[in-house]
Amino acid sequence: AQTVTQSQPEMSVQEAETVTLSCTYDTSESDYYLFWYKQPPSRQMILVIRQEAYKQQNATENRFSVNFQKAAKSFSLKISDSQLGDAAMYFCAYLSGTYKYIFGTGTRLKVLA
Amino acid sequence: GAGVSQSPSNKVTEKGKDVELRCDPISGHTALYWYRQSLGQGLEFLIYFQGNSAPDKSGLPSDRFSAERTGGSVSTLTIQRTQQEDSAVYLCASSLEGRASGELFFGEGSRLTVL
Repeated sequence: AQTVTQSQPEMSVQEAETVTLSCTYDTSESDYYLFWYKQPPSRQMILVIRQEAYKQQNATENRFSVNFQKAAKSFSLKISDSQLGDAAMYFCAYLSGTYKYIFGTGTRLKVLA
Repeated sequence: GAGVSQSPSNKVTEKGKDVELRCDPISGHTALYWYRQSLGQGLEFLIYFQGNSAPDKSGLPSDRFSAERTGGSVSTLTIQRTQQEDSAVYLCASSLEGRASGELFFGEGSRLTVL
């Protein structure tokens, strides 16, 4: 069965600095999607970034980028120039050819002014 | 509305009472999901709808939990004879289709507290 592991329950970063959140997953599939979702204190989760496994190029969205290592089954999120509004829970998620998203347990990111 | 709407936002109930949680997905989204998020935990899958049918109910914790979806739109999650361990945030999400189109759109959740 597929699993998603986020080994960092909590991380802190100084405003304007860079932070990397880790995610590893386990699957025997070759074609799948990986996601990072952000859940601010308001509770509404929003998509941060998405990576398709067949694409070798790492996805980027403005200050957010991923380091996708398919062989290592690693999918980390890098946030550059951290802002106070980046403070939230971040969830890594996996989706294969079915409908079932598998979520990690989340990493709480604190941004220090 | 433009987004996924859930109600009530907060619900406090006594142990043994029944509760209904409602989800109004984005118009046109055929796939609808219910997740449960307990304090300090990740998202626990409960049930998935494609249209009005639920091909996967495997995440429902017990027979006290049920869900339905009507008209391919609004969904209701019902918890009968609530227990204290049912206290959690119940999140609803929808997507255009339940495959690799990707993005889930979430509501703000319903926080359930069972006293």
